[in-house]
Amino acid sequence: QSVLTQPPSASGTPGQRVTISCSGGSSNIGSKFVYWYQQLPGTAPKLLIYKTNQRPSGVPDRFSGSKSGTSASLAISGLRSEDDADYYCAAWDDSLSAWVFGGGTKLTVL
Amino acid sequence: EVQLVESGGGLGQPGGSLRLSCAASGFTFTNYWMHWVRQAPGKGLVWVSRIHSDGSSSNYADSVKGRFTISRDNAKNTLYLQMNSLRADDTAVYYCAKEDNWSDAFDIWGQGTMVTVSS
Repeated sequence: QSVLTQPPSASGTPGQRVTISCSGGSSNIGSKFVYWYQQLPGTAPKLLIYKTNQRPSGVPDRFSGSKSGTSASLAISGLRSEDDADYYCAAWDDSLSAWVFGGGTKLTVL
Repeated sequence: EVQLVESGGGLGQPGGSLRLSCAASGFTFTNYWMHWVRQAPGKGLVWVSRIHSDGSSSNYADSVKGRFTISRDNAKNTLYLQMNSLRADDTAVYYCAKEDNWSDAFDIWGQGTMVTVSS
């Protein structure tokens, strides 16, 4: 059971906008930055969003992150087939003195 | 090219030991916190451990505390994970990852090494 809670699956058609949620608590999302990682099938994870809403160079602006209270969200607009992947949220947890990940959301582009 | 390459995975016996290595290149290894993250087959990412840039401080997930030890050799640009008292639920792909100093993000990941614990 993950400390951060994500829906196990999400889906959308090309061009649509989808949102993936990540719910935590006061010791992690509520007081810390949130990070998002994308994992394509059979590959290592890749950084997608850092410090809650910042994109590394090379990540399209179709991807955006936000946070409200103890929940965070990843939004993907203009959905493309190559976005078909697993997405993980992560944050430092002050109570555990550990990094915690969400259980992951498998995004299917129909 | 910035790169992390893990090795040392394989079959381990329950109660046995394995040592993983992660060779870093293309960046100044001595300047960065380094991490191990694992992923059981068909499951999600789980953080395992981290170590300070100079090796002076480390943290562990509760599930591996007292059994696993993270270390580094900055002269060899190599990160290690000593895994003792192996259990079946340690079976996973183990990734090493570099933490960016400014963003705290895991910005570089290795390709992973598979550890299977079975008799």
